[in-house]
Amino acid sequence: GDSVTQTEGPVTLSEGTSLTVNCSYETKQYPTLFWYVQYPGEGPQLLFKVPKANEKGSNRGFEATYNKEATSFHLQKASVQESDSAVYYCALSVNYGNEKITFGAGTKLTIKP
Amino acid sequence: AQTIHQWPVAEIKAVGSPLSLGCTIKGKSSPNLYWYWQATGGTLQQLFYSITVGQVESVVQLNLSASRPKDDQFILSTEKLLLSHSGFYLCAWSLNRNQDTQYFGPGTRLLVL
Repeated sequence: GDSVTQTEGPVTLSEGTSLTVNCSYETKQYPTLFWYVQYPGEGPQLLFKVPKANEKGSNRGFEATYNKEATSFHLQKASVQESDSAVYYCALSVNYGNEKITFGAGTKLTIKP
Repeated sequence: AQTIHQWPVAEIKAVGSPLSLGCTIKGKSSPNLYWYWQATGGTLQQLFYSITVGQVESVVQLNLSASRPKDDQFILSTEKLLLSHSGFYLCAWSLNRNQDTQYFGPGTRLLVL
């Protein structure tokens, strides 16, 4: 089946430093890749998605490139802020007729001021 | 704009008691609807999905059932709760398109004692 593996948390960084959250995926199909962010007590919300290989998605200073050869979709941000503290989920979607999204385990990020 | 509402916000229930959680989507006709379960600190597990009224497909078996009595309503229920049912239940919707973004509701927190 499909699977998503991402950086184990928790991750703690100081404000202004750079962030990389690794994400690797496995599927035999052609997925759309997503990054979702979840703040405490809320449902996840889409950060961005990339439906095509070798394209980049970005939002709020975060970005990730859909690398089909390496089966990776690493999340990066050049300079994190305290408000970026949240849990980040990498996910993939393949249309097996059930619109199933497979989520990674999540990476809890804490940014210290 | 689309809005998604879940009820109740939180529940504390006894083992063996029944449960009914609800989800309503406004502002979008004929959406795909989903139920997810999230253990505390865990990833998101898709439970059910529905592409039309009266039609619900199960993704995993957790002694839960789901129904879609109206186009904009999705219900999750069980006649007998287990301790393992504790967690965060999330409803989500998407457009009726392949591999499209899923938009999550605010969730219902359930504690089974």
